[in-house]
Amino acid sequence: GENVEQHPSTLSVQEGDSAVIKCTYSDSASNYFPWYKQELGKRPQLIIDIRSNVGEKKDQRIAVTLNKTAKHFSLHITETQPEDSAVYFCAASPPPSNTGKLIFGQGTTLQVKP
Amino acid sequence: DAGVIQSPRHEVTEMGQEVTLRCKPISGHNSLFWYRQTMMRGLELLIYFNNNVPIDDSGMPEDRFSAKMPNASFSTLKIQPSEPRDSAVYFCASRGTGGHEQYFGPGTRLTVT
Repeated sequence: GENVEQHPSTLSVQEGDSAVIKCTYSDSASNYFPWYKQELGKRPQLIIDIRSNVGEKKDQRIAVTLNKTAKHFSLHITETQPEDSAVYFCAASPPPSNTGKLIFGQGTTLQVKP
Repeated sequence: DAGVIQSPRHEVTEMGQEVTLRCKPISGHNSLFWYRQTMMRGLELLIYFNNNVPIDDSGMPEDRFSAKMPNASFSTLKIQPSEPRDSAVYFCASRGTGGHEQYFGPGTRLTVT
């Protein structure tokens, strides 16, 4: 079955710097890759996603890139702010695509120091 | 819409007791997912339903765990008997037809002593 590896497990940056989180997946047939943000004590919430027919997607300060050949995708956060501090999870959706099944990475704890 | 609703929000029980967690998905959503979150294992998919039918329960840890979805607006996850290693936050999430985003509930924090 699908396996998702996420790195690093923790990341500390200064406010204003950029942060990059990377994930790899094993099933080349996976076709949907969301990123969820989970603040302390809260539920995971979708922040951005990308489908396998797109190489890059951007939404204000966050962007996701996908390399299907290498089976990896990354989350980029620019101009980080203290409120970006949270745990970030990547996920992959293996086939059959209509089920919506997601396999999550282990998570990255991002700390943005003011 | 109130979003995905889970109850109880916190549950403390003794080893050996039966635990039932409840979930009400967003109205109109046809897919429902149960996850378990721990520090050691992260966010694990336990089971998911499409149109009230269980599709994949390969993530259910053992026979002590069972899940049902008797109708489109209600699902339960039952642990019987519970063990201390079941202590975790259990999330329910739902997804609409044709959409990809999963909407998570607030979670149930289970502590088994």
